[in-house]
Amino acid sequence: EAGVAQSPRYKIIEKRQSVAFWCNPISGHATLYWYQQILGQGPKLLIQFQNNGVVDDSQLPKDRFSAERLKGVDSTLKIQPAKLEDSAVYLCASSLRLTANTGELFFGEGSRLTVL
Amino acid sequence: ELKVEQNPLFLSMQEGKNYTIYCNYSTTSDRLYWYRQDPGKSLESLFVLLSNGAVKQEGRLMASLDTKARLSTLHITAAVHDLSATYFCAVDTTDSGGGADGLTFGKGTHLIIQP
Repeated sequence: EAGVAQSPRYKIIEKRQSVAFWCNPISGHATLYWYQQILGQGPKLLIQFQNNGVVDDSQLPKDRFSAERLKGVDSTLKIQPAKLEDSAVYLCASSLRLTANTGELFFGEGSRLTVL
Repeated sequence: ELKVEQNPLFLSMQEGKNYTIYCNYSTTSDRLYWYRQDPGKSLESLFVLLSNGAVKQEGRLMASLDTKARLSTLHITAAVHDLSATYFCAVDTTDSGGGADGLTFGKGTHLIIQP
């Protein structure tokens, strides 16, 4: 079974530029998450989708970050304009999230962003 | 706000020794997960603990959950170098009604096992 796919794996931009990350979840997983992992810290949830609807975006810096999940499958996360503190790994995860399910999240390899 | 605290944050130990990593959390939850992360890699699921008293074992690793104490432990038995990694616990606060349920992670325990 294919895992969670993310691209690009690495991106270097200058501050105030924009960047977009793409995620394709595991087939059949209705729930998709974007996490931000700053070096030396645990992942922090940015946004959660259930199918193509947003369930939780309370920790998403909406003045510069946006995300969408059209058609309830692939998702994109955009940052515009980027700041130095946005340097991090952006992890996409997916889950079945059914009541009888373990609720386990499966993570992609991540997209490492460096803002200069 | 849910807080998840791991300790220690850094651990250097010798092969063959035993040790325990602790994960405390601040709110009621029946679900706790342990993940492993190698440098530059993503998170690999190790254990899913779904009820009070749950115990799971895989090789030299054993995880347990005490929901009353809001504590989970990850025990390493006779450590080997290949277990060197960062270990995260993550707490799930979903209620049975669904809704927002992203995991809240601890800061991670960076484990180095030396020959």
